Amino acid sequence: NAGVMQNPRHLVRRRGQEARLRCSPVKGHSHVYWYRQLPEEGLKFMVYLQKENIIDESGMPKERFSAEFPKEGPSILRIQQVVRGDSAAYFCASSPARTGRGETQYFGPGTRLLVL
Amino acid sequence: GENVEQHPSTLSVQEGDSAVIKCTYSDSASNYFPWYKQELGKGPQLIIDIRSNVGEKKDQRIAVTLNKTAKHFSLHITETQPEDSAVYFCAAMNTGNQFYFGTGTSLTVIP
Repeated sequence: NAGVMQNPRHLVRRRGQEARLRCSPVKGHSHVYWYRQLPEEGLKFMVYLQKENIIDESGMPKERFSAEFPKEGPSILRIQQVVRGDSAAYFCASSPARTGRGETQYFGPGTRLLVL
Repeated sequence: GENVEQHPSTLSVQEGDSAVIKCTYSDSASNYFPWYKQELGKGPQLIIDIRSNVGEKKDQRIAVTLNKTAKHFSLHITETQPEDSAVYFCAAMNTGNQFYFGTGTSLTVIP
């Protein structure tokens, strides 16, 4: 996993509650990506962040979902008023520079969200 | 946008045989193609990648080939071992620096 850490690894929420997923990138990496994976499906891009900036959020639903990557601390993916359809594995990846300059993305172990 | 298709969705091989997984992409400007291995309950792990200026790359038992004209790339695993059993994902990076993933291939290596 090249040092990407995510917590919690498993999260259970009831409908209407909030879910907060945290990602600490590889030390020295300043670019973070969030993906969602439904059972037996591939990874779907959600959002790309650099420190204090959202670069691309085209894959993230405009309602209930938000993401941040503050100057200090981990990146946070926040889901408000969760619904059962939000149940999925959420993966964070990091890279030292924007992919395209020769750097790939390294994935964390994921957070498995279950909405009851 | 980019569209990545991956085949087959499941693959079973006898230990020692070779396994081949194929992906096609739609955006001719895509220029980076990584392959990831995902074991149950874990995150995807990069196993090999290839850039558009290269036709083939090999790392021990794993090789990747890229045909830019046909817009397809393949993963080849030789002398398969039980620990190769996992789900494999291909991806293509477009000019927007966004990764598009295939739907995955579940590989089972039968001892």
